[in-house]
This record gives sequence, structure tokens and C-alpha cells, in this order.
Amino acid sequence: DSGVTQTPKHLITATGQRVTLRCSPRSGDLSVYWYQQSLDQGLQFLIQYYNGEERAKGNILERFSAQQFPDLHSELNLSSLELGDSALYFCASSVDAGGNTEAFFGQGTRLTVV
Amino acid sequence: AQSVTQLDSQVPVFEEAPVELRCNYSSSVSVYLFWYVQYPNQGLQLLLKYLSGSTLVESINGFEAEFNKSQTSFHLRKPSVHISDTAEYFCAVSDISNNNDMRFGAGTRLTVKP
Repeated sequence: DSGVTQTPKHLITATGQRVTLRCSPRSGDLSVYWYQQSLDQGLQFLIQYYNGEERAKGNILERFSAQQFPDLHSELNLSSLELGDSALYFCASSVDAGGNTEAFFGQGTRLTVV
Repeated sequence: AQSVTQLDSQVPVFEEAPVELRCNYSSSVSVYLFWYVQYPNQGLQLLLKYLSGSTLVESINGFEAEFNKSQTSFHLRKPSVHISDTAEYFCAVSDISNNNDMRFGAGTRLTVKP
């Protein structure tokens, strides 16, 4: 158990809909990362937050947004969903944004868009 | 931003054979380097990391990786693999000069056959 909790584990929704994925980082970790893993794109970095502030942005679509709350949990919002958004979405956390510390990954949320 | 290339998407090997999983990154500026492993239906776990010092780093389960700055590579090796090493392996690079932005390669699926 990495200590990172992601909910829900599975999500099935229709095209055009909006969903929210939730991540609780390990206790004490200030940095949260979101990744998308799909068969054709591999593991893609989406966005990073550190202590409530956006720190780095990767290949995140404009239809997607994220935030980190004062209690350090994070949510990833995916809207106007398309079939191609079907993927495994991982959250990871680390103690700081230093990049030299280990990132701990959650089990992921499997999103299926039908 | 850094890019990470894992040259082999799939590597099938027989049990007890040696294996090398290749990883190259785009820039030789200061970086931290990581290998993560993902077992089926699980999140990613840190396997080993290079931060500084000796260019050869080892994991507790027999894997090792060597940082080669001139070739911008961080290949992962194991002299004798086990069935239990079957997993997906991800190379990751954290760019110290860019807010420690961490990027992952697309992954290499290692399949160990009896």
C-alpha cells in the first residue's frame, strides 16, 4: 500500500459527460501529480500541484482541469468526455517538489467512456 | 521539457537470462533519474534512482542501472531474471533546471517466460 488513495477505482460514463477523480496523497506529502496511462500513448504527465499551487503542466487538455485543496487532496475534472479519454488515471504524491524524492503512486482510476 | 525514450516497447526473455531495458533522455543538463515498475493491476513503484555520486545504482531485487551522462542514458539491467520480474518498467527523468519537472518514458513490458 503506497498510502495514496484514489477514488473511484472504476468509472464508466458516456461521451459528453463530466467526471471528477479524487486523490488523497500520503500523509505529509505536499506535491501531487496526475498521469494518464493509455495503450497508445503510454504514461503521460498531466499536471503537478505543490501545496495548493499549480507547479508544472504537461499534456493536459483544455477540457481537463485539476486543483489541490487546503487539506492537500486533489481532484482531476474531465469534461466533454470523448471515447479517447478512456484510460487509467494515476495520482502520485511526494514529500516536496524537489524532484529528487520518490513519487508514490495510487492504484489508479480506470475511466471507460462509452 | 525533457523527453524520455524507451527504445523497446516489449522485451520477451527466458527465465534466468540477462536483460537490458534501454532508456535515453533528451538533455544532459542536471537531472535525477528513476526506474519505476508496474506489476499487473497495480500502481507504479520506485525500483531505483540516481541522484548523484556513483553512476551505478542497484535495487534490492537484483536490478541495476548505470547513468551515462555523455550518452544521456540510464539503462536498466539484470543478470538473471525470474518469472516474477514480469511487469512494465518505466524510466523517468526529473529536470533539475525546470522545477524538477518529471517525465516518464512510454514503458517497456518485460515478459519472462519459463
